[in-house]
This record gives sequence, structure tokens and C-alpha cells, in this order.
Amino acid sequence: GIQVEQSPPDLILQEGANSTLRCNFSDSVNNLQWFHQNPWGQLINLFYIPSGTKQNGRLSATTVATERYSLLYISSSQTTDSGVYFCAVSGYSTLTFGKGTMLLVSP
Amino acid sequence: EAGVAQSPRYKIIEKRQSVAFWCNPISGHATLYWYQQILGQGPKLLIQFQNNGVVDDSQLPKDRFSAERLKGVDSTLKIQPAKLEDSAVYLCASSPPRDRGITQYFGPGTRLLVL
Repeated sequence: GIQVEQSPPDLILQEGANSTLRCNFSDSVNNLQWFHQNPWGQLINLFYIPSGTKQNGRLSATTVATERYSLLYISSSQTTDSGVYFCAVSGYSTLTFGKGTMLLVSP
Repeated sequence: EAGVAQSPRYKIIEKRQSVAFWCNPISGHATLYWYQQILGQGPKLLIQFQNNGVVDDSQLPKDRFSAERLKGVDSTLKIQPAKLEDSAVYLCASSPPRDRGITQYFGPGTRLLVL
């Protein structure tokens, strides 16, 4: 199956800082999504982005499908951004999740 | 619009006991997923239903896990007998019709601890 690697595994930021999270995948995909899991365990879909660039407020994402990676940018981070960020991919079947990047934003 | 509902939220059992989890998806969502999330890892799909039919159960340990969605609405996931390694969060998600799984709405999860 498709392998998904996320980096860094952990990240600690001061409020207001920017960050970049990376997702590498081992095969071509037709579905790539970024999720945020808050400290209470709730998973929320952030982006569906198999290719190209999207922005939603302080978050943006870019996927370069030919080079098999995706980046999630968080600008002007807030304490509410804390949690785990997952990248999930699929070819033509079910989503495979990476191990996530745990982000802690301190005030 | 009500979200995906799951119960119970927490469960503690001893190994070799049985346990069942319940999920009620968002109204009108045809696709329902059960995921297992072990501490420190991403969710892993156990089973996917389209209405009341199974689409994918390739990662479901069928010797001890079973799931059903009899009327194409709510679903039950059962473990019998439980093992220590089954300790995890069990997440249910649902997708609207014709969405191809692009937008999955997750429930709050059931946290299972097997002692």
C-alpha cells in the first residue's frame, strides 16, 4: 500500500509564529487531505488537495503530485491551532493516514 | 445539522470480554466508516459501508471484530473477545452521497481501554 511520512513529528511554537508541515507519499494519488485533530480528539477536514494550492484563512496547502509531497502552512499561529495534523492519501481506494505532526502553540 | 454521534464515549473492559460501539451518521449520508486509532498513530480504516453493504473490510480482524449496518443508517462495531492491543480510540465517520469519500465527517470517538 501507499506509505505516508509526515515531518516534523513534533513542533512547538510561540503564538504568532509561522510553520510548515510536510507530507511525503510513496505512490501517485488521486486523493490527498489534511486533517486537524484537536486536543479533545475531534478530527476536522482542512483541505482536499490532490494537486495545486488552496488557502483558507491563515492556513494554506500545496501539493506537488509529480514529486509526491504536500505542504501545510500555518501563519500567525494561535493557541487554538494546537493538536495533531494528519495527512491522508489514497489511490483508488481507502484513505491511508500518516502518523501526524503534533503541534503545540504556546501563548 | 447534527454531527456524527457515537456511544459510549469511554469503555474499560478486561481482556477476553466483549464490547460493542454504536454510531449514528449524519442524516442522509450513505457512506459510513469505522476507524481504529492507536495512541500516537493516525486512524486506520477497519470497515467501510455504502448504505448497508460492505465496500472494504480488508483491514478488519474478522476473527474477533464484526460490524453491521442493517438498515443503512446507524452501525454497530463489536469486538469479541477483546485483546490488550485493541486499546484505542474507535472513530466513526460518514460521507454524503456521491462524494467519493472526499469529505468525511468524524464523530467524537469511543475510547476503549482493555486491561
